[in-house]
Amino acid sequence: DAGITQSPRHKVTETGTPVTLRCHQTENHRYMYWYRQDPGHGLRLIHYSYGVKDTDKGEVSDGYSVSRSKTEDFLLTLESATSSQTSVYFCAIKESTGGLETQYFGPGTRLLVL
Amino acid sequence: GQNIDQPTEMTATEGAIVQINCTYQTSGFNGLFWYQQHAGEAPTFLSYNVLDGLEEKGRFSSFLSRSKGYSYLLLKELQMKDSASYLCAVFYAGNNRKLIWGLGTSLAVNP
Repeated sequence: DAGITQSPRHKVTETGTPVTLRCHQTENHRYMYWYRQDPGHGLRLIHYSYGVKDTDKGEVSDGYSVSRSKTEDFLLTLESATSSQTSVYFCAIKESTGGLETQYFGPGTRLLVL
Repeated sequence: GQNIDQPTEMTATEGAIVQINCTYQTSGFNGLFWYQQHAGEAPTFLSYNVLDGLEEKGRFSSFLSRSKGYSYLLLKELQMKDSASYLCAVFYAGNNRKLIWGLGTSLAVNP
């Protein structure tokens, strides 16, 4: 257990509304990631962070923004939700142990955009 | 591109052995991960290979051949709880330390 929580765990929203998902970690990891997972596409990286206020885009960043004002929290915002953003969203941290860098995932957030 | 290829689905019988293959492009390869994901849950880390050979962890083993761009996950003494999706993911050098993920292999273990 890498001490990662996500909130909310489930959300239903309407097209055009902003949505913010929160990822919280308790073990001071530097790297944090937001992925989405959809059938037929696997895990796709949205954004990642390599420190407080340091973020970068992943492969599917359009329509999403992120913020990291504290080490423990990484927020993902859908600026104006669309039905194509209905997905399962996973947050992950990277843990480095003895030269091995492994990603550990939070429990996920199921988002339905109507 | 940096495609990761895995079979989409496999079935096996309880108590048997199953091998799940993963192929990838070798240029820039910097390590390969296997994750298990039960339906409705998050992926969980199983194994990591960066050198050629077999890594054994209880009933699960993972093999890597860097020259062939090939890995497999071997599950022995299958149990019903092993029914899950198995994800192969590869680190490529110079890719800002991001993983490239395969689509996963859905394994069904039948009694």
